[in-house]
Amino acid sequence: GAGVSQTPSNKVTEKGKYVELRCDPISGHTALYWYRQSLGQGPEFLIYFQGTGAADDSGLPNDRFFAVRPEGSVSTLKIQRTERGDSAVYLCASSLRGRGDEQFFGPGTRLTVL
Amino acid sequence: TQLLEQSPQFLSIQEGENLTVYCNSSSVFSSLQWYRQEPGEGPVLLVTVVTGGEVKKLKRLTFQFGDARKDSSLHITAAQPGDTGLYLCAGAVGAQKLVFGQGTRLTINP
Repeated sequence: GAGVSQTPSNKVTEKGKYVELRCDPISGHTALYWYRQSLGQGPEFLIYFQGTGAADDSGLPNDRFFAVRPEGSVSTLKIQRTERGDSAVYLCASSLRGRGDEQFFGPGTRLTVL
Repeated sequence: TQLLEQSPQFLSIQEGENLTVYCNSSSVFSSLQWYRQEPGEGPVLLVTVVTGGEVKKLKRLTFQFGDARKDSSLHITAAQPGDTGLYLCAGAVGAQKLVFGQGTRLTINP
């Protein structure tokens, strides 16, 4: 079956612009996670959804970052007024139920802010 | 803040040699996972260790969880060029999120 997919694979934008990154989880997975991976670093947790609700958003760096999952499937990570420091690979993962189940990662979206 | 320190960050060895990668923390984790990540792809889970002192083997890879569940190691025997990649350890915080180390970039030279 299909794995986690993310679009676009690459996004180049200018400082101050708004961007949306999309994640399609594995069908039937109720838990969805967003991570950010800066160059030379491991992934850093941003937010966790259980169904439609954000169960843990403690990793969002500031209020320019927002994520939604309105129907409990696809999720969109939204970044307002982008800054050069937002440049990173944004990874999405899903798991069957959360609760320690294995997380399956997508290939990521590489965001470059000029 | 729970942190995981991986060492070494970079390792380049010859085919056939053995190596060990370490993952250390001052915090206790409910479980610890090892991932491998290829360029342009997301991390792929290799193994999960849960019990203090646990040892798991995956072909030439041996994973160990420390008795106090604060540290782990990955040992590769007779490394092959196909083992080249980024290896990440991650600790589970509660049952929800993962805290990752900064990774070990391994290069096996033929």
